[in-house]
Amino acid sequence: NAGVTQTPKFQVLKTGQSMTLQCAQDMNHEYMSWYRQDPGMGLRLIHYSVGAGITDQGEVPNGYNVSRSTTEDFPLRLLSAAPSQTSVYFCASSLTLGEQFFGPGTRLTVL
Amino acid sequence: GEDVEQSLFLSVREGDSSVINCTYTDSSSTYLYWYKQEPGAGLQLLTYIFSNMDMKQDQRLTVLLNKKDKHLSLRIADTQTGDSAIYFCAETPSGAGSYQLTFGKGTKLSVIP
Repeated sequence: NAGVTQTPKFQVLKTGQSMTLQCAQDMNHEYMSWYRQDPGMGLRLIHYSVGAGITDQGEVPNGYNVSRSTTEDFPLRLLSAAPSQTSVYFCASSLTLGEQFFGPGTRLTVL
Repeated sequence: GEDVEQSLFLSVREGDSSVINCTYTDSSSTYLYWYKQEPGAGLQLLTYIFSNMDMKQDQRLTVLLNKKDKHLSLRIADTQTGDSAIYFCAETPSGAGSYQLTFGKGTKLSVIP
């Protein structure tokens, strides 16, 4: 199993550009989530999904969209990037509550 | 609302024990977790404890839970340089829709050779 994979590893955007961060897992996990990690802030939940076709907002959802058309994939979309979205983004998946498996992260810089 | 607090830094000498502390506010939390993040990597689950337990031991790791004080601690015995990392405490609140983890800000453990 590859576990949780994320692409790209690094990305630089200009303000106003859009992009999609990819996340995939091959463990048949129902629950997937996106977090952002900022210095001194820990991890904050952006969006999560409890299964294909079901998504919900986390603590900091503004500026991000998600969809879950398959069990395996959970992409995160930035429609119009802002400097405040410069962060490290982690995708995670879980079969049971709380035992989440994390991807390696995407480091995003918005100029 | 839920809140998880941790001290930001801890420095210990190699071979000593490390104790990382965490306090939480949601008394209905059913699970409490410790995650480890090495530089440039994602988070890795170290251990977890059910809320009806007081202690859990796993090799060099000991987790203590004081529900009355809402205090969780992680003790690492015989700390090694490879234990240098950021350690996150996290809770899963009980109730419907509790598919979220609330993380503390993380404690950076530095091990001095």
